[in-house]
Amino acid sequence: GALVYQYPRRTICKSGTSMRMECQAVGFQATSVAWYRQSPQKTFELIALSTVNSAIKYEQNFTQEKFPISHPNLSFSSMTVLNAYLEDRGLYLCGASGTYNNQAPLFGEGTRLSVL
Amino acid sequence: GDSVTQTEGQVALSEEDFLTIHCNYSASGYPALFWYVQYPGEGPQFLFRASRDKEKGSSRGFEATYDKGTTSFHLRKASVQESDSAVYYCALPNNYAQGLTFGLGTRVSVFP
Repeated sequence: GALVYQYPRRTICKSGTSMRMECQAVGFQATSVAWYRQSPQKTFELIALSTVNSAIKYEQNFTQEKFPISHPNLSFSSMTVLNAYLEDRGLYLCGASGTYNNQAPLFGEGTRLSVL
Repeated sequence: GDSVTQTEGQVALSEEDFLTIHCNYSASGYPALFWYVQYPGEGPQFLFRASRDKEKGSSRGFEATYDKGTTSFHLRKASVQESDSAVYYCALPNNYAQGLTFGLGTRVSVFP
C-alpha cells in the first residue's frame, strides 16, 4: 500500500539551532509535497507546497530563509527549521499527493519538534 | 480566502450514539471537500472526499454528502464506537489546489 514516512518522529533542539526533517513516500510517486505545522491548540498551518520540477511556494508568514525545503525526486522531501525558537514548536506534517488515492494527500505521522 | 468552519469543537457521546459534525465551506466554484481523522500521536488519516454537488463520500461507517446549496459537507455516523474517539478535520484545497486548508477540528470522545 501507499504510505508516507517521516523521520525523526520526535526531536529536541536548543534555541537558535537548526533541525532537519525528512519525508518519504512509499508505494506511490509524490508529485507534490506540502509541509504543515500543527501547533498546540491550533489546526494545521500550511508552510509550503513543493512540486517536483517547479518552484516551491511558501505561504504567508513562512519563508525559504527560515524553512528551506528540498524535493529532489518523487519519493523524498526534506525541510529544515533554521534558527529554531519556542514559537517553532509543534508537530510538522508532510502531506504527499500523487499517483494514489485520488489525489487526496497522504500524511506521515509527523515530526514533533521541541525547542529548549 | 477559501475556508472551512466546523461548528463543534468537542463532542461527547456514548457508544451506539449517532454522530454529526457540521462542516461548512466558503469557496468559489466546486472545490473538492475532504474529511480526515487524527488519532493521538499520529498524523491525519484520509477518510474520504467528494468533488461535486450531491456526491456522497463514505468510509469506515462515516459518510458525508456534498451540498453546494448549503455549502456543507457534514460528517455522520449512525452508531459510534469507543475506537472512533479522535479529532476529525474537514478540509478543502487551498489556493494552490494541492495543499489543504483545514478546519479547526472536532474532538470526538466516545464513552462505553
